[in-house]
Amino acid sequence: ETGVTQTPRHLVMGMTNKKSLKCEQHLGHNAMYWYKQSAKKPLELMFVYSLEERVENNSVPSRFSPECPNSSHLFLHLHTLQPEDSALYLCASSQAYSRDRDHASYEQYFGPGTRLTVT
Amino acid sequence: AQKITQTQPGMFVQEKEAVTLDCTYDTSDQSYGLFWYKQPSSGEMIFLIYQGSYDEQNATEGRYSLNFQKARKSANLVISASQLGDSAMYFCAMRELLYNFNKFYFGSGTKLNVKP
Repeated sequence: ETGVTQTPRHLVMGMTNKKSLKCEQHLGHNAMYWYKQSAKKPLELMFVYSLEERVENNSVPSRFSPECPNSSHLFLHLHTLQPEDSALYLCASSQAYSRDRDHASYEQYFGPGTRLTVT
Repeated sequence: AQKITQTQPGMFVQEKEAVTLDCTYDTSDQSYGLFWYKQPSSGEMIFLIYQGSYDEQNATEGRYSLNFQKARKSANLVISASQLGDSAMYFCAMRELLYNFNKFYFGSGTKLNVKP
């Protein structure tokens, strides 16, 4: 496998279910991100892990719980979701910032996304 | 204030012609990076091109070039010789390298349709 992979690609869940989204990167990166993309809204950053430490949490409701067991894997645990949580959830990875690489691009590479529908 | 503004919700271009997608940004940082991503209907965001704030030359990657005008805070994407496969959403993004490094700011996107 190469790049960033996400499973499952599609998920339908009821409001009382518990499920998890999985992301794996094979790029040797050490920062990983969760984004939410709803129809007709800009991409929303949810969580950032850098060097396996959560460094950003963008006021995301507690029904979303991230987990980063190592620099290659990222999970998003879901429970008691609402219909408005239906969206495309994108995972991304990049190099974490380093002073030695001040002018590096640090571009993010994205996975194919999980299309989540909450019924 | 919005960090990234893309004022063209939708654009049409004839196959084989060039097209420019607009992007303006807002930052007080001296060091930042600008990115363009393509998102086909399949959903995956594909990195296209990068421009650093200290780069004096405009970035180019194959048929993609970035028209970087620092004083005007604009970073327009130019696609030359459009192909049918270029039909997609295009997002401009920025990362501030000194503060808020962990945040990527994305614009609302431009939907490009390439006509045969």
